[in-house]
Amino acid sequence: SQKIEQNSEALNIQEGKTATLTCNYTNYSPAYLQWYRQDPGRGPVFLLLIRENEKEKRKERLKVTFDTTLKQSLFHITASQPADSATYLCALVDSSNTGKLIFGQGTTLQVKP
Amino acid sequence: GAVVSQHPSRVICKSGTSVKIECRSLDFQATTMFWYRQFPKKSLMLMATSNEGSKATYEQGVEKDKFLINHASLTLSTLTVTSAHPEDSSFYICSAPDRGGGSGELFFGEGSRLTVL
Repeated sequence: SQKIEQNSEALNIQEGKTATLTCNYTNYSPAYLQWYRQDPGRGPVFLLLIRENEKEKRKERLKVTFDTTLKQSLFHITASQPADSATYLCALVDSSNTGKLIFGQGTTLQVKP
Repeated sequence: GAVVSQHPSRVICKSGTSVKIECRSLDFQATTMFWYRQFPKKSLMLMATSNEGSKATYEQGVEKDKFLINHASLTLSTLTVTSAHPEDSSFYICSAPDRGGGSGELFFGEGSRLTVL
């Protein structure tokens, strides 16, 4: 069966450090993978998209890697700030290619000052 | 970026009543919208795909008669939870894909918190 797995344990780091979040998937052959941020009681907000032929993508302090061999994406936040505290979700388009996005369970990041 | 608006943001109702949640694309047309449900500390679970001008497509295990979806226009989709019960209490979120449809990026509404007493 298809799975998207993120570390369900919260990640606690000190301000200024780099946060690294992991997204693993099985039985998918995604053309691209997306990362979203979700704050409590709010809808998710799109952050980055990385395509299968891209190894790495950057946006300001964010960096995403995509390893189709390992079936894994890593999401990095450099110079983390308390305002980065949120839940981060990875998502794939499902194999039926109807445009439906399937989400991982999310990893909650807590950046302490 | 594109804006998707959801209303109401919070609703409390008595068991047995029906509740309607609206999802509007404010500055673009959306022939397709997606409805998700989220339980506390859990991921978003896709409930159905709303299609303008045709019937919604429901995911396995989602009751069509329970969760009525109507895509009335290119900017409005509604989800009606019929005869709501406490187990229907949840966070419901709608989304629409980007205008170009190429990237697959979804624009989400603010979500609607339903509490059924």
